[in-house]
Amino acid sequence: RKEVEQDPGPFNVPEGATVAFNCTYSNSASQSFFWYRQDCRKEPKLLMSVYSSGNEDGRFTAQLNRASQYISLLIRDSKLSDSATYLCVVYSGGYQKVTFGIGTKLQVIP
Amino acid sequence: SQTIHQWPATLVQPVGSPLSLECTVEGTSNPNLYWYRQAAGRGLQLLFYSVGIGQISSEVPQNLSASRPQDRQFILSSKKLLLSDSGFYLCAWSVSGHYSGANVLTFGAGSRLTVL
Repeated sequence: RKEVEQDPGPFNVPEGATVAFNCTYSNSASQSFFWYRQDCRKEPKLLMSVYSSGNEDGRFTAQLNRASQYISLLIRDSKLSDSATYLCVVYSGGYQKVTFGIGTKLQVIP
Repeated sequence: SQTIHQWPATLVQPVGSPLSLECTVEGTSNPNLYWYRQAAGRGLQLLFYSVGIGQISSEVPQNLSASRPQDRQFILSSKKLLLSDSGFYLCAWSVSGHYSGANVLTFGAGSRLTVL
Protein backbone atom coordinates (compact mmCIF):
# COMPACT_ATOMS: atom_id res chain seq x y z
CA ARG A 1 0.00 0.00 0.00
CA LYS A 2 1.28 3.45 -0.86
CA GLU A 3 2.04 5.80 2.00
CA VAL A 4 -0.24 8.47 0.58
CA GLU A 5 -2.96 7.73 -1.98
CA GLN A 6 -5.02 10.08 -4.07
CA ASP A 7 -7.42 9.70 -6.96
CA PRO A 8 -5.49 11.29 -9.86
CA GLY A 9 -8.73 12.40 -11.57
CA PRO A 10 -9.22 14.47 -13.60
CA PHE A 11 -12.21 16.01 -11.91
CA ASN A 12 -14.06 18.16 -14.46
CA VAL A 13 -16.51 20.49 -12.75
CA PRO A 14 -18.49 23.53 -13.91
CA GLU A 15 -17.81 26.97 -12.51
CA GLY A 16 -19.62 27.50 -9.22
CA ALA A 17 -19.69 23.83 -8.32
CA THR A 18 -18.52 22.33 -5.07
CA VAL A 19 -15.87 19.64 -5.34
CA ALA A 20 -14.18 17.46 -2.76
CA PHE A 21 -10.98 15.44 -2.82
CA ASN A 22 -9.91 12.76 -0.41
CA CYS A 23 -6.49 11.46 0.42
CA THR A 24 -5.68 8.39 2.52
CA TYR A 25 -2.45 7.72 4.38
CA SER A 26 -1.10 4.45 5.69
CA ASN A 27 0.96 5.46 8.71
CA SER A 28 -1.24 5.92 11.75
CA ALA A 29 1.60 7.82 13.46
CA SER A 30 1.52 10.58 10.84
CA GLN A 31 1.79 13.95 12.46
CA SER A 32 1.23 16.82 10.04
CA PHE A 33 -0.95 17.17 6.98
CA PHE A 34 -1.06 19.68 4.15
CA TRP A 35 -2.63 20.44 0.82
CA TYR A 36 -0.42 21.91 -1.90
CA ARG A 37 -1.50 23.27 -5.26
CA GLN A 38 0.55 22.72 -8.40
CA ASP A 39 -0.17 24.54 -11.64
CA CYS A 40 0.87 22.95 -14.91
CA ARG A 41 4.66 22.84 -15.24
CA LYS A 42 5.13 24.90 -12.10
CA GLU A 43 6.34 24.19 -8.59
CA PRO A 44 3.94 23.08 -5.83
CA LYS A 45 2.82 25.79 -3.46
CA LEU A 46 1.31 25.41 -0.01
CA LEU A 47 -2.45 25.83 -0.10
CA MET A 48 -3.23 25.10 3.52
CA SER A 49 -2.26 23.04 6.52
CA VAL A 50 -4.84 20.58 7.86
CA TYR A 51 -5.66 20.68 11.53
CA SER A 52 -7.37 18.04 13.63
CA SER A 53 -10.40 20.24 14.20
CA GLY A 54 -10.70 21.09 10.51
CA ASN A 55 -9.96 24.50 9.08
CA GLU A 56 -11.27 26.88 6.51
CA ASP A 57 -9.64 29.47 4.29
CA GLY A 58 -12.18 31.31 2.20
CA ARG A 59 -13.74 28.84 -0.22
CA PHE A 60 -11.43 26.05 0.89
CA THR A 61 -12.10 23.69 3.79
CA ALA A 62 -9.71 20.99 4.93
CA GLN A 63 -10.54 18.17 7.31
CA LEU A 64 -8.65 15.38 8.99
CA ASN A 65 -10.08 12.04 10.05
CA ARG A 66 -7.43 10.23 12.08
CA ALA A 67 -9.63 7.22 12.81
CA SER A 68 -10.07 6.48 9.11
CA GLN A 69 -6.68 7.94 8.15
CA TYR A 70 -7.77 10.37 5.52
CA ILE A 71 -7.78 14.06 4.84
CA SER A 72 -10.12 15.96 2.59
CA LEU A 73 -10.23 19.23 0.71
CA LEU A 74 -13.52 20.89 -0.16
CA ILE A 75 -13.66 23.72 -2.68
CA ARG A 76 -16.86 25.73 -2.84
CA ASP A 77 -17.96 27.99 -5.68
CA SER A 78 -15.21 26.74 -8.00
CA LYS A 79 -13.44 29.33 -10.13
CA LEU A 80 -11.64 28.81 -13.42
CA SER A 81 -8.46 29.81 -11.58
CA ASP A 82 -8.86 26.80 -9.27
CA SER A 83 -7.86 24.52 -12.16
CA ALA A 84 -4.68 22.83 -10.99
CA THR A 85 -3.39 19.65 -9.42
CA TYR A 86 -3.93 19.34 -5.68
CA LEU A 87 -1.29 17.41 -3.77
CA CYS A 88 -1.91 15.74 -0.45
CA VAL A 89 1.14 15.87 1.79
CA VAL A 90 1.80 13.92 4.97
CA TYR A 91 4.61 14.15 7.47
CA SER A 92 5.10 10.69 8.92
CA GLY A 93 8.26 10.81 10.96
CA GLY A 94 11.88 10.52 10.08
CA TYR A 95 13.90 13.66 10.17
CA GLN A 96 11.96 16.28 8.24
CA LYS A 97 10.58 13.67 5.90
CA VAL A 98 7.50 14.65 3.92
CA THR A 99 5.53 12.35 1.57
CA PHE A 100 3.53 13.64 -1.37
CA GLY A 101 0.54 12.02 -3.00
CA ILE A 102 0.43 11.79 -6.77
CA GLY A 103 -2.05 14.67 -6.89
CA THR A 104 -5.64 15.12 -8.04
CA LYS A 105 -6.16 17.13 -11.17
CA LEU A 106 -9.04 19.59 -11.15
CA GLN A 107 -10.37 21.25 -14.29
CA VAL A 108 -13.02 23.90 -13.79
CA ILE A 109 -15.08 24.36 -16.94
CA PRO A 110 -16.83 27.60 -17.96
CA SER B 1 11.48 37.59 3.34
CA GLN B 2 12.86 34.25 2.27
CA THR B 3 13.41 33.39 -1.36
CA ILE B 4 14.67 30.30 -3.12
CA HIS B 5 16.43 30.33 -6.46
CA GLN B 6 17.02 27.34 -8.67
CA TRP B 7 18.82 27.10 -12.00
CA PRO B 8 18.95 26.33 -14.81
CA ALA B 9 15.23 26.32 -15.51
CA THR B 10 15.45 24.04 -18.52
CA LEU B 11 18.15 21.84 -19.95
CA VAL B 12 18.51 19.16 -22.56
CA GLN B 13 21.44 16.81 -22.09
CA PRO B 14 22.72 13.74 -23.93
CA VAL B 15 22.94 10.38 -22.21
CA GLY B 16 26.25 10.02 -20.42
CA SER B 17 26.83 13.73 -19.91
CA PRO B 18 27.30 15.31 -16.47
CA LEU B 19 24.70 17.34 -14.61
CA SER B 20 24.80 20.16 -12.11
CA LEU B 21 21.71 21.87 -10.73
CA GLU B 22 22.05 24.62 -8.18
CA CYS B 23 19.76 25.95 -5.51
CA THR B 24 20.23 28.83 -3.10
CA VAL B 25 18.05 30.16 -0.33
CA GLU B 26 18.08 33.74 0.90
CA GLY B 27 16.69 35.35 4.00
CA THR B 28 17.08 32.45 6.41
CA SER B 29 19.85 30.52 8.08
CA ASN B 30 20.39 26.81 8.67
CA PRO B 31 17.44 25.71 6.55
CA ASN B 32 16.61 22.11 5.82
CA LEU B 33 17.16 21.60 2.09
CA TYR B 34 15.67 19.02 -0.23
CA TRP B 35 15.90 17.76 -3.79
CA TYR B 36 12.76 16.19 -5.28
CA ARG B 37 12.13 14.73 -8.70
CA GLN B 38 8.77 14.63 -10.42
CA ALA B 39 8.63 12.32 -13.43
CA ALA B 40 5.85 12.73 -15.97
CA GLY B 41 2.55 11.50 -14.51
CA ARG B 42 4.12 10.60 -11.19
CA GLY B 43 4.31 12.07 -7.72
CA LEU B 44 7.21 13.88 -6.14
CA GLN B 45 10.04 11.60 -5.15
CA LEU B 46 12.42 12.74 -2.43
CA LEU B 47 15.99 12.30 -3.63
CA PHE B 48 18.12 13.98 -0.96
CA TYR B 49 17.73 16.10 2.10
CA SER B 50 20.20 18.02 4.20
CA VAL B 51 19.97 19.42 7.71
CA GLY B 52 23.32 21.21 7.62
CA ILE B 53 26.52 21.92 5.73
CA GLY B 54 28.06 18.70 4.46
CA GLN B 55 25.19 16.60 5.84
CA ILE B 56 23.38 14.76 3.06
CA SER B 57 20.85 11.94 3.35
CA SER B 58 19.93 9.94 0.28
CA GLU B 59 16.48 8.45 -0.04
CA VAL B 60 16.87 6.30 -3.13
CA PRO B 61 19.86 4.59 -4.75
CA GLN B 62 20.67 6.27 -8.03
CA ASN B 63 23.41 7.80 -10.11
CA LEU B 64 22.76 11.23 -8.63
CA SER B 65 24.57 12.92 -5.77
CA ALA B 66 24.02 16.04 -3.72
CA SER B 67 26.29 18.42 -1.89
CA ARG B 68 25.83 21.32 0.47
CA PRO B 69 29.02 23.37 0.37
CA GLN B 70 27.47 26.37 2.11
CA ASP B 71 24.61 26.84 4.55
CA ARG B 72 22.16 28.04 1.92
CA GLN B 73 23.45 26.29 -1.18
CA PHE B 74 22.39 22.86 -2.36
CA ILE B 75 23.72 21.20 -5.50
CA LEU B 76 22.45 18.15 -7.38
CA SER B 77 24.96 16.39 -9.62
CA SER B 78 25.48 13.42 -11.83
CA LYS B 79 28.61 12.20 -13.54
CA LYS B 80 26.72 10.34 -16.28
CA LEU B 81 23.08 10.93 -17.03
CA LEU B 82 20.66 8.13 -17.89
CA LEU B 83 17.48 8.42 -19.94
CA SER B 84 15.55 7.67 -16.77
CA ASP B 85 16.95 10.81 -15.15
CA SER B 86 14.61 12.97 -17.23
CA GLY B 87 12.11 14.83 -15.10
CA PHE B 88 11.24 17.96 -13.20
CA TYR B 89 13.73 18.60 -10.39
CA LEU B 90 12.61 20.70 -7.49
CA CYS B 91 14.69 22.17 -4.72
CA ALA B 92 12.86 23.01 -1.51
CA TRP B 93 13.60 24.38 1.92
CA SER B 94 11.97 24.28 5.31
CA VAL B 95 12.67 25.83 8.66
CA SER B 96 14.86 23.65 10.84
CA GLY B 97 13.33 22.27 14.00
CA HIS B 98 10.94 19.66 15.25
CA TYR B 99 7.58 21.41 15.25
CA SER B 100 4.81 21.03 12.71
CA GLY B 101 5.54 24.31 11.00
CA ALA B 102 8.97 23.03 10.18
CA ASN B 103 7.42 20.54 7.81
CA VAL B 104 6.12 23.19 5.43
CA LEU B 105 8.15 23.12 2.25
CA THR B 106 8.77 26.06 -0.05
CA PHE B 107 9.86 25.07 -3.52
CA GLY B 108 12.05 26.68 -6.13
CA ALA B 109 10.67 27.14 -9.62
CA GLY B 110 12.18 23.84 -10.75
CA SER B 111 14.59 22.60 -13.39
CA ARG B 112 13.15 20.62 -16.26
CA LEU B 113 15.69 18.07 -17.50
CA THR B 114 15.37 16.11 -20.72
CA VAL B 115 17.95 13.42 -21.35
CA LEU B 116 18.20 12.32 -24.98
